[in-house]
Amino acid sequence: AQTVTQSQPEMSVQEAETVTLSCTYDTSESDYYLFWYKQPPSRQMILVIRQEAYKQQNATENRFSVNFQKAAKSFSLKISDSQLGDAAMYFCAYRSASGTASKLTFGTGTRLQVTL
Amino acid sequence: NAGVMQNPRHLVRRRGQEARLRCSPMKGHSHVYWYRQLPEEGLKFMVYLQKENIIDESGMPKERFSAEFPKEGPSILRIQQVVRGDSAAYFCASSPVRQDNEKLFFGSGTQLSVL
Repeated sequence: AQTVTQSQPEMSVQEAETVTLSCTYDTSESDYYLFWYKQPPSRQMILVIRQEAYKQQNATENRFSVNFQKAAKSFSLKISDSQLGDAAMYFCAYRSASGTASKLTFGTGTRLQVTL
Repeated sequence: NAGVMQNPRHLVRRRGQEARLRCSPMKGHSHVYWYRQLPEEGLKFMVYLQKENIIDESGMPKERFSAEFPKEGPSILRIQQVVRGDSAAYFCASSPVRQDNEKLFFGSGTQLSVL
């Protein structure tokens, strides 16, 4: 079974600075997808960024980018120019690309605080 | 276009009662997923349904839990004879097609508290 590990329960960053959230995963599959989701106090899960394992290029979405290291099974999220609105729980998630496996496997999350 | 609607937002039940959680997917979405989030943990997959079909229930406890997604109306997650360990946030997500997680939209969850 696949597992996702987020080893940082909490992180803090000053406004306008850069922060990196770590995520590692374990799988025997070669084709899969990785995601970062943001969960603000409203509880709604919001997709931040998505990476296909077969793509070598790291995904970017505005101030959000990932460092995908397939051999190391590492998938970190970098948030640049941090804003107060970035404060939330961040979850890393894995999904197999095989035919019937549509479910997401989540890590335990990292709580990000943004300070002035 | 309203998002994924879950109700109630908060639900309080006493041990032994039944809990019914409702999820109305986004318009045009025919795939629904239920996840459970225990305090300080990530979401855990429970069940995946299409209209009138359960596709994957590998994450669903074998007893007391059931889910349905009828042809008409919302998807329902039903928990019979609730126990304190069922206290959690239950999230529903929907998508228009099975494999397209990029278009997976989550609701705001139902917080179930069992007294």
